[in-house]
Amino acid sequence: DIQMTQSPSSLSASVGDRVTITCRATQRISNYLNWYQQKAGKAPKLLIYAAASLQSGVPSRFSGSGSGTDFTLTISSLQPEDSATYYCQQSHTTPLTFGGGTSVEIK
Amino acid sequence: EVQLVESGGGLVQPGRSLRLSCTVSGFSFDDDAMHWVRQAPGKGLEWVSGISWNSGTIDYADSVKGRFTISRDNAKNSLYLQMNSLRSEDTAFYYCAKDKVQAVAGNGFDYWGQGTLVTVSS
Repeated sequence: DIQMTQSPSSLSASVGDRVTITCRATQRISNYLNWYQQKAGKAPKLLIYAAASLQSGVPSRFSGSGSGTDFTLTISSLQPEDSATYYCQQSHTTPLTFGGGTSVEIK
Repeated sequence: EVQLVESGGGLVQPGRSLRLSCTVSGFSFDDDAMHWVRQAPGKGLEWVSGISWNSGTIDYADSVKGRFTISRDNAKNSLYLQMNSLRSEDTAFYYCAKDKVQAVAGNGFDYWGQGTLVTVSS
């Protein structure tokens, strides 16, 4: 199975900060990498698919990059409503697997 | 408006069975693959099972293989998860999710239900 490792597991940043979350796969997955945002008590929401494609309706401050085994989610200017847990997911091979999550807190 | 509504969760004893349903509206259900994803309280996301648009491809996480069965009825716009031989470690919120593509391994899950809680305890 392909394991997904996210870092950091948590972070605290101020409004307006640039935030970067990384995700590493144990095998090459081309660009089959997706990012989700989950707020407390809610279902996850797709932010980025195919490593760098912005899902419809998602603010442009969110962006993704990477290919192969190393990927990045960037929030260019952190907003209060971005407080959430973020998960990466590989959709290259079943079983589909998620990273452990990154909790983002607003200072 | 796209809607996915799960039902069938509840409290069940270890070793017993439960069947989850997910009824969808607002999109062409038979166009895309569908999945079940679970989340134990306070924990991360775990993919459970996926089924392609025409039920031609089905796959499971190792943790549920042989105990859970996914199915879909495109005529009824419904997805199902039959869960047998339940264990305490199956306790979780269970979400149904729509894939962006027809295949089980695709481009992410663009719509999710609100989740239904399954608690396995004596």
